[in-house]
Amino acid sequence: GAGVSQSPSNKVTEKGKDVELRCDPISGHTALYWYRQSLGQGLEFLIYFQGNSAPDKSGLPSDRFSAERTGGSVSTLTIQRTQQEDSAVYLCASSYEVTNYGYTFGSGTRLTVV
Amino acid sequence: GEDVEQSLFLSVREGDSSVINCTYTDSSSTYLYWYKQEPGAGLQLLTYIFSNMDMKQDQRLTVLLNKKDKHLSLRIADTQTGDSAIYFCAEITTDKLIFGTGTRLQVFP
Repeated sequence: GAGVSQSPSNKVTEKGKDVELRCDPISGHTALYWYRQSLGQGLEFLIYFQGNSAPDKSGLPSDRFSAERTGGSVSTLTIQRTQQEDSAVYLCASSYEVTNYGYTFGSGTRLTVV
Repeated sequence: GEDVEQSLFLSVREGDSSVINCTYTDSSSTYLYWYKQEPGAGLQLLTYIFSNMDMKQDQRLTVLLNKKDKHLSLRIADTQTGDSAIYFCAEITTDKLIFGTGTRLQVFP
């Protein structure tokens, strides 16, 4: 596609429920990144993929968080047993390989846990 | 460790210059970046500078890099209300961008 697409754009969920956030990167971009932006915080790195592999998942906050990528394209970030502190904007970005020339970001999914 | 720091807020009058500052920690970063985030939107790459450069100019934007002090700045000339946004600096490590906390720029008439 023309840009990085994320869905849903907004998600409200009850504490304890599982959620799935989707990212559709730019066609041909082999690297895909997930970041989290909490109110008043900067961007916190979560995980990145090169193809379908995740060489660096060091930023995942807990074992409730997982992500996968299939076909070198779409990625899903799953949060199990959501907690209120998971409320944030989850941003996805992609780039052509692991590049020095910056990333293209999606508009994010705003997750609210009530 | 990896830590990129920015001041949180900057308020300027329309038509004045804005200067947003950033300090980073990874001296091996080959590139440093400035991103802009408008309300409700993702991040948009504004400009980047290669680490062997001291300065880069792109229309109203001037990036200054002091590698010795690990200090990066973004100057916006003739600031307009449309420049109101959050500005993030970022450094690249071996495999990912590390972002600062962001500076919220408010432009008033």
